[in-house]
Amino acid sequence: AQSVTQPDIHITVSEGASLELRCNYSYGATPYLFWYVQSPGQGLQLLLKYFSGDTLVQGIKGFEAEFKRSQSSFNLRKPSVHWSDAAEYFCAVGLLNTGGFKTIFGAGTRLFVKA
Amino acid sequence: GAVVSQHPSRVICKSGTSVKIECRSLDFQATTMFWYRQFPKQSLMLMATSNEGSKATYEQGVEKDKFLINHASLTLSTLTVTSAHPEDSSFYICSASGLFEEDWSTDTQYFGPGTRLTVL
Repeated sequence: AQSVTQPDIHITVSEGASLELRCNYSYGATPYLFWYVQSPGQGLQLLLKYFSGDTLVQGIKGFEAEFKRSQSSFNLRKPSVHWSDAAEYFCAVGLLNTGGFKTIFGAGTRLFVKA
Repeated sequence: GAVVSQHPSRVICKSGTSVKIECRSLDFQATTMFWYRQFPKQSLMLMATSNEGSKATYEQGVEKDKFLINHASLTLSTLTVTSAHPEDSSFYICSASGLFEEDWSTDTQYFGPGTRLTVL
């Protein structure tokens, strides 16, 4: 069965430090991969997505993610974290089948940013 | 662009009553809308997928008679929680995708801000 694993429930980084959020997926074919951010009381915002092509994907707010097929991973990175980045981050896999397009979400990683 | 709204943002109701939540795509036509449920500090769980003009497809374990979904137009889908009970209290999130991407097969979902339902 398809699944998405985010190993870290929460991560704390200092403002200005680099960030990497881990994501592993289980899927038979090359999936569509997404990273979303959810701030308190707000909906999910798409940070970036990977469908094909260059395995290093640039997103909004200075985020990037790299698709590594051999590791079934799609880790999210940011070189310098800002306090406003504190939020919940969800990795997701998009599946296209006869029933349509369906998204499976990981459990999320809560990012705390300390001054 | 690609804004999705939900109404109400939060609702408190008595046990046994029904609650309707609206999901609207404001600046695009949503051929498909999705309804999710999110428990505190947990991920989003897909409840159902609805395509405009057809019956919703419910995920395993979701009671279709309890969670009624209507997608009557390309900009509006509604979720009605019938005879709500305290265990239905949750954060309900809708998302919408449309055929406005160049690559039609790779729909991206745009999410609404969510509706907090509390059943007393």
